[in-house]
Amino acid sequence: EVQLQQSGPEVGRPGSSVKISCKASGYTFTDYVMNWVKQSPGQGLEWIGWIDPEYGSTDYAEKFKKKATLTADTSSSTAYIQLSSLTSEDTATYFCARVMDAWGQGASVTVSS
Amino acid sequence: DVVMTQTPVSLSLAIGQPASISCKSSQSLLGTSGKTFLNWILQRPGQSPKRLIYQVSKLYSEVPDRFSGSGSETEFTLKISRVEAEDLGVYYCWQGTHFPYTFGAGTKLELK
Repeated sequence: EVQLQQSGPEVGRPGSSVKISCKASGYTFTDYVMNWVKQSPGQGLEWIGWIDPEYGSTDYAEKFKKKATLTADTSSSTAYIQLSSLTSEDTATYFCARVMDAWGQGASVTVSS
Repeated sequence: DVVMTQTPVSLSLAIGQPASISCKSSQSLLGTSGKTFLNWILQRPGQSPKRLIYQVSKLYSEVPDRFSGSGSETEFTLKISRVEAEDLGVYYCWQGTHFPYTFGAGTKLELK
């Protein structure tokens, strides 16, 4: 069974960074790209970007190019998203999604001073 | 970016009634591969999204056959032949033909 287990809730101060993990199991990690999706409170879904774990190649939606950094550790089958220069607009739940056919449970990020 | 427009915003239906959700894209979703990457997902209350349909009309194996998808180019439809209690939640269409991937705003299915 494909499972994507994300890390717990994060609280970050404005201007700081947070890093969320997504540990994959039940399939070969390097066989599928990993997407990341943002859901702001009570809102819809925004695609942030994806990473190909095998090659480390990435692609980002334009609005997230300076906000998000996607990485992957093939030794632990874990994908990461780092969000930098946090503002209140980054308060949201972030999902990892394997080619969008399997989703993690989501990780909430709250930006608060 | 491709704009995905879903209607209606919400649906209130009794169990056993049919449901229909429209999704329109601002550009054709027919890719150079000849495939159309229009997909549907369901987010039940308090849960992460779950896959339903890919490439317009292909159901994932675990999805009941009361669900169906149709359409082409810029107009697509998700239908539920008879709504069941487990179907409540927010349905999103999303496109994977053009970067960046984009989602519709969602259609909330409530039970009457």
